[in-house]
Amino acid sequence: AQSVTQLDSQVPVFEEAPVELRCNYSSSVSVYLFWYVQYPNQGLQLLLKYLSGSTLVESINGFEAEFNKSQTSFHLRKPSVHISDTAEYFCAVKDYGQNFVFGPGTRLSVLP
Amino acid sequence: NAGVTQTPKFQVLKTGQSMTLQCAQDMNHEYMSWYRQDPGMGLRLIHYSVGAGITDQGEVPNGYNVSRSTTEDFPLRLLSAAPSQTSVYFCASSHEPPGGELFFGEGSRLTVL
Repeated sequence: AQSVTQLDSQVPVFEEAPVELRCNYSSSVSVYLFWYVQYPNQGLQLLLKYLSGSTLVESINGFEAEFNKSQTSFHLRKPSVHISDTAEYFCAVKDYGQNFVFGPGTRLSVLP
Repeated sequence: NAGVTQTPKFQVLKTGQSMTLQCAQDMNHEYMSWYRQDPGMGLRLIHYSVGAGITDQGEVPNGYNVSRSTTEDFPLRLLSAAPSQTSVYFCASSHEPPGGELFFGEGSRLTVL
């Protein structure tokens, strides 16, 4: 069965500093990869996804993630974070089946 | 532009009571699912459906029932609530597999006393 690891449960970072949220998955077969963001008391929203093609994918608000097949990783990065990026971030993987498997989440706290 | 709508947003139950969490989507998605979210555990799949009349179990189905009589609706029933079912529940839907992303409702916070 698929599994997703997010090693950092909490990441505090100062405003305008860079950040990387790590995600590793277990599957050796082709997968689709997603990052979701959850703001307090809200549902999850899609941040970005990798389906095929270029291994670097970007979101509209400055986040990017790189698919690395050999390391089975899909780390999320942002070169300069804002206070408004404070949220919980979930990595998810989906293979050719129907269902998603989510990681435990990383809580990003951006400090002034 | 409603998307996925869940009701109620908050509910308090006593042990042994039953209730239904409602979920409706207006995007004509075939796939619908229910997750529970608990601290440090991410989201765990309870039940899912790939179309009207078709449902299947996910990772943590015990204590929950679902049905899918229409494309739009996917209610989750708690048969006899237990304190272990205290959680935040999310309904989600998506387009045809395999690459469609999930669209989530805003969640239903359930407390079982």
